[in-house]
Amino acid sequence: DTGVSQNPRHKITKRGQNVTFRCDPISEHNRLYWYRQTLGQGPEFLTYFQNEAQLEKSRLLSDRFSAERPKGSFSTLEIQRTEQGDSAMYLCASSRESPEQYFGPGTRLTVT
Amino acid sequence: AQTVTQSQPEMSVQEAETVTLSCTYDTSESDYYLFWYKQPPSRQMILVIRQEAYKQQNATENRFSVNFQKAAKSFSLKISDSQLGDAAMYFCAYLFNQGGKLIFGQGTELSVKP
Repeated sequence: DTGVSQNPRHKITKRGQNVTFRCDPISEHNRLYWYRQTLGQGPEFLTYFQNEAQLEKSRLLSDRFSAERPKGSFSTLEIQRTEQGDSAMYLCASSRESPEQYFGPGTRLTVT
Repeated sequence: AQTVTQSQPEMSVQEAETVTLSCTYDTSESDYYLFWYKQPPSRQMILVIRQEAYKQQNATENRFSVNFQKAAKSFSLKISDSQLGDAAMYFCAYLFNQGGKLIFGQGTELSVKP
C-alpha cells in the first residue's frame, strides 16, 4: 500500500476564489472520508463515500462545499467562493471493510 | 449526540518514564469502537491503538496500552518507556459503526523531555 495521498499539500487563495482538492485513497479501499481540522482542534467530519455513493454529509458542509467520487476511486472536494473561515487543514481518510481509517497528509488551505 | 472529551490539553513526560492520557466519551450505544490517533508535527494522523466496546480485555500494542472502563465511559492511553519520537498531539476518537464518521476529542499535546 502506498498510503492515502492528497494534492495539493498547500493552497493559498484569495477570498472569493474557488479551490479544489484531490484525495487518492489506499488501493481497494471502498470508503473515503473528508475531515476538516483547525489549529489546535481535533478533526471534524465533513462527508463520506462508500464507493461512488455519498452516504453522509455534515451540517458543516455548507452549499459552498461539494465533494465527488465519480468512479469510486479518487475524490475531490471543492470549495466555492472561499471565506477566511475556510482556512484549515483538510484531511482525507480511507478504509476497507474494517473500522480503522487511514489518513492522508492533508491539504492546508489559507484564504487571504 | 456522541461526544469525546480530552481534559488534558498538554502533558509532559520524562524519557523512559510512563504517562497516561485521559479520554471520556458519551454515548447511548452499546457497540462501538474507540481509537487513539497520534499526530506528529508533520501532521499525518497515525492510528495507535483500537478497542472494541464488546471486548472486556484492554488492547495492547507494544509500549501502548489502554484502560477501557465501559461503565464509566473512560478510555485512557498508557505509554510505557516513553521515547522522544512519542512527542505529538494525541487524539481520542469514537466510532459508532464501521462505515461511519470518527468523532474526535480536542487532543492532548504530549512532550517528551530527554
